Order: sequence, then C-alpha cells, then structure tokens
Amino acid sequence: GAVVSQHPSWVICKSGTSVKIECRSLDFQATTMFWYRQFPKQSLMLMATSNEGSKATYEQGVEKDKFLINHASLTLSTLTVTSAHPEDSSFYICSARDLWDREGNTEAFFGQGTRLTVV
Amino acid sequence: AQSVTQLDSQVPVFEEAPVELRCNYSSSVSVYLFWYVQYPNQGLQLLLKYLSGSTLVKGINGFEAEFNKSQTSFHLRKPSVHISDTAEYFCAVSAYAGNNRKLIWGLGTSLAVNP
Repeated sequence: GAVVSQHPSWVICKSGTSVKIECRSLDFQATTMFWYRQFPKQSLMLMATSNEGSKATYEQGVEKDKFLINHASLTLSTLTVTSAHPEDSSFYICSARDLWDREGNTEAFFGQGTRLTVV
Repeated sequence: AQSVTQLDSQVPVFEEAPVELRCNYSSSVSVYLFWYVQYPNQGLQLLLKYLSGSTLVKGINGFEAEFNKSQTSFHLRKPSVHISDTAEYFCAVSAYAGNNRKLIWGLGTSLAVNP
C-alpha cells in the first residue's frame, strides 16, 4: 500500500527554538496533505489542510504564524513549529491524499507521527 | 454540521471473544465512512471504508463493518479478537468543507484485549 513517511518520529527541543517536521509521500503524489495534533488519549485535531503550490488552510484557533506549513512539491509537506513552548508538546500526525484516488478524494494514508517535547 | 459519535470510550474484552465498536454519525448528505486503528505512538492505519455499494464492508485483520443508513451507524465488528488487536480505534466521516474534503473524527474507542 501507499506509504507516508514522517520525520522525525520524536524530537526534544528547547523552549523558544523552532522545529521542522517533514511529511513525504513515498510512492504516490499527493496534492493535499493534512496536519493533525493529538493530545494524550484524545482524538485527532485537524490543524490545517495543505495544498501543493498554494497557501495552507488553517482551522479556526490554529495560529498560522506559529505553525508554518509549506507544501512545495507533490511529495513533501513540512510543518514548522516556531518559537516552541512547552504547551506545544504533543503528537503531530500528517496524512496525504493520493492524486489519483478516484474513489472519493479521501485521505487514507497517514505518517507514523512525531512526538514533540519542548523543555 | 457533520459529527461522529463513538459510544464507548473503552471496551475491555477477553481474547477470542467477539467485539463490536459502535459508531454513529450525523449528516444530511451522502457520506463516506471510515474506521482507522492506531497502535501506541504510531500513526493511523485504515481498517476499512464505506463509499457505496454493499453495506457490509470487510477490512484488514479480520474486521468488518456494516453501514446502516436508517440508523446512521457504522459499527465495527470482529468475531474473535487477538491480543494484538489492542489499540485505539477511530471512526470518521468524510465531508466537504470549502473546496476540500476532510475527515470528521470520533473521539476514539480504546480496545483492550485481555488473555
């Protein structure tokens, strides 16, 4: 099946620094990628929808200047957490929609997630 | 607006017993429905999906789900569970928001399979 690679799988950073998380579709092209945040024992919270070659669409309440998303190619999207603080510590997950998915244009492929800890 | 309700936050069950994880949704339009599984500290893996056609959908790892339009339900079932099925299970409905179709998630059901 299709593979989405997310890197790094875990990262620890100091408060005030920035962290970049990469999401790559390895064997398919993805026009749209989604970034989620997940708190312990909770469901996924959609942060933003990233479309290749255009600006990301952020969900209400998500600071676009803090969570910078870049989707420069059909196989790569990045999420940068700028000036990270301990409250940004969380599990971040990306998912990708296959360009050729004709069964409903639905995302079905997830990365393995990134555990961010800000100290 | 669409919403997804997973009726049980936790389901304990013994190995080899049957299990049903319940999911109800609310939507005024045609929907696509999904079940995903998440193992600890990992991303999500698609178990199965309903887009159209037969209301009984078979997925990976022996799971199946039945779409019931009149009851707006999409319950997940497995006749005999294994220890390895211990995980978090999420039900989701696909809906358009602007120009993008995105998934509306339930809160998840934690399945604990005990020996």
